[in-house]
Amino acid sequence: QQQVKQSPQSLIVQKGGISIINCAYENTAFDYFPWYQQFPGKGPALLIAIRPDVSEKKEGRFTISFNKSAKQFSLHIMDSQPGDSATYFCAASRADSWGKLQFGAGTQVVVTP
Amino acid sequence: DAMVIQNPRYQVTQFGKPVTLSCSQTLNHNVMYWYQQKSSQAPKLLFHYYDKDFNNEADTPDNFQSRRPNTSFCFLDIRSPGLGDAAMYLCATSSYTSGRNNEQFFGPGTRLTVL
Repeated sequence: QQQVKQSPQSLIVQKGGISIINCAYENTAFDYFPWYQQFPGKGPALLIAIRPDVSEKKEGRFTISFNKSAKQFSLHIMDSQPGDSATYFCAASRADSWGKLQFGAGTQVVVTP
Repeated sequence: DAMVIQNPRYQVTQFGKPVTLSCSQTLNHNVMYWYQQKSSQAPKLLFHYYDKDFNNEADTPDNFQSRRPNTSFCFLDIRSPGLGDAAMYLCATSSYTSGRNNEQFFGPGTRLTVL
């Protein structure tokens, strides 16, 4: 049973466009929602993370929007660049679970020149 | 400034031949995790150590074992690798305090090939 559902599975966006990836969860005990970026052959790297006490967090071109009542959160990549082409994973964890992450299935983003 | 180091980066083994993957960290984090990641899939948690306490995921096969001799090092032992165990194995660490999750730092992974 997948606890975090992620969509779309893949995304093609033109350089300068906006990439949007959505995730939904069921477990209301989740209280930490990170996004990871992974390039082929590399380990995932934390991109940005949010806790449920805020509805939005922005770091550079990356923004997380969080809707606690809908149990949804999304990643927006503004002004997408070819170097952003990677697989993005959303995740969620509970405070009482030693930081164990429940990952979404991943979204492969391709930014065309 | 490598923080989570995995060795080797590539490992080739034969079907049924035991293999050990290693992970070390310079972050002094109290939690270390091992994940298995197959092509085009999300990382799947195998187990984790909280300090010296070992926590196995319910669906992790017995074929997979782990050791954490000290804070800095953690090993993944695959006792009898099968073809289905070919994957990227990721080590991660975090500084966990009760009631607060913090960033997990991932290593570069070890790509395991089983012949």
